[in-house]
Amino acid sequence: EPEVTQTPSHQVTQMGQEVILRCVPISNHLYFYWYRQILGQKVEFLVSFYNNEISEKSEIFDDQFSVERPDGSNFTLKIRSTKLEDSAMYFCASILDQGRETQYFGPGTRLLVL
Amino acid sequence: GNSVTQMEGPVTLSEEAFLTINCTYTATGYPSLFWYVQYPGEGLQLLLKATKADDKGSNKGFEATYRKETTSFHLEKGSVQVSDSAVYFCALIGGGSQGNLIFGKGTKLSVKP
Repeated sequence: EPEVTQTPSHQVTQMGQEVILRCVPISNHLYFYWYRQILGQKVEFLVSFYNNEISEKSEIFDDQFSVERPDGSNFTLKIRSTKLEDSAMYFCASILDQGRETQYFGPGTRLLVL
Repeated sequence: GNSVTQMEGPVTLSEEAFLTINCTYTATGYPSLFWYVQYPGEGLQLLLKATKADDKGSNKGFEATYRKETTSFHLEKGSVQVSDSAVYFCALIGGGSQGNLIFGKGTKLSVKP
């Protein structure tokens, strides 16, 4: 069964450094999402992406964040200058079509900012 | 705005016990409701869903009924197994939303043999 993959599974970085989290969505899916979960808190929506542009973003997704689909398979989340509070589990998800469809999630990347 | 509230965990049960995890929501319009499960070391997997009032979602012995009058979507299972140990998330996609999920905090379930 096709699945969403994410790399790396864990990343440790120093405050102020740039990080890029990578996701490979299911190949025929068209809508892509990033979520994050700070330890002990709820999973929060960051951004959705369709047709090579952001379709919706939350207030968490400020100028430090960017997303890109650099080729036909990868979907990346970049944090330009990491802060301690960016430490979280980051999940990528994808769906074939918009609306109430089931979102397929990757296993997540655990980011630790020191 | 839209939100989901689910019971705090952790929940510890013996094998074959009855499980209920409460979930209530606040939403404009007519949301779709979901339960996702996260097994240790894995991503979020859809467990079940319901897209309109009075719908019952079911999968792997789990059930949840979309109750518009009480704005609830409680998860139940008649007889839990050790393999059901996981974190369970209630979530919704709000009416008019472009599809982003709004999650509850998650409830960790541990089932002892």
